[in-house]
Amino acid sequence: DVKVTQSSRYLVKRTGEKVFLECVQDMDHENMFWYRQDPGLGLRLIYFSYDVKMKEKGDIPEGYSVSREKKERFSLILESASTNQTSMYLCASKSPRGPRQEQFFGPGTRLTVL
Amino acid sequence: SQKIEQNSEALNIQEGKTATLTCNYTNYSPAYLQWYRQDPGRGPVFLLLIRENEKEKRKERLKVTFDTTLKQSLFHITASQPADSATYLCALDGYSSASKIIFGSGTRLSIRP
Repeated sequence: DVKVTQSSRYLVKRTGEKVFLECVQDMDHENMFWYRQDPGLGLRLIYFSYDVKMKEKGDIPEGYSVSREKKERFSLILESASTNQTSMYLCASKSPRGPRQEQFFGPGTRLTVL
Repeated sequence: SQKIEQNSEALNIQEGKTATLTCNYTNYSPAYLQWYRQDPGRGPVFLLLIRENEKEKRKERLKVTFDTTLKQSLFHITASQPADSATYLCALDGYSSASKIIFGSGTRLSIRP
């Protein structure tokens, strides 16, 4: 059974803290993505990576950075958390080959910044 | 800029009827259009993909149409059931392996018994 896992389901942090969100996939996928999801705004792409050590900015990269040192792991970093980064964070992966081109999503991390 | 709109935030229909959800886009030439289902507190799950050169795709009670001239996709659930209640998201994907995937904000579908 294919799987994308995220390090935490729920996380509470204080303003100014450095926050790490980890995502691991076991499908040997090249492409990995980080989204945030807010009511009424849908899924917004923060960063994506199409290969190890490669990263591309999405639509809302400000305040975030990412790291992809190994193919299976894609980390999202909030350098100095702020209250407006309270959100649901979703990681996804996909293979650029094959007919289905579907993204596999993790269960999400609900982050609250106080 | 690229934009994708699902023009109903919420849709309520009677069990047994056909639910039709709409997805419109601008400033994008997608290779694929996908539909996902998302239940509360969970990540989206892939349902169907339709390619730019396909007009229609079916899977069990689901049907998707894709009109690249109108820049629109319709997603139909026939013989709807309360278990179909969820948020449905459409997404566009490009040709390149490094393409950015764009999601709509979703339509929350409620099927009442």
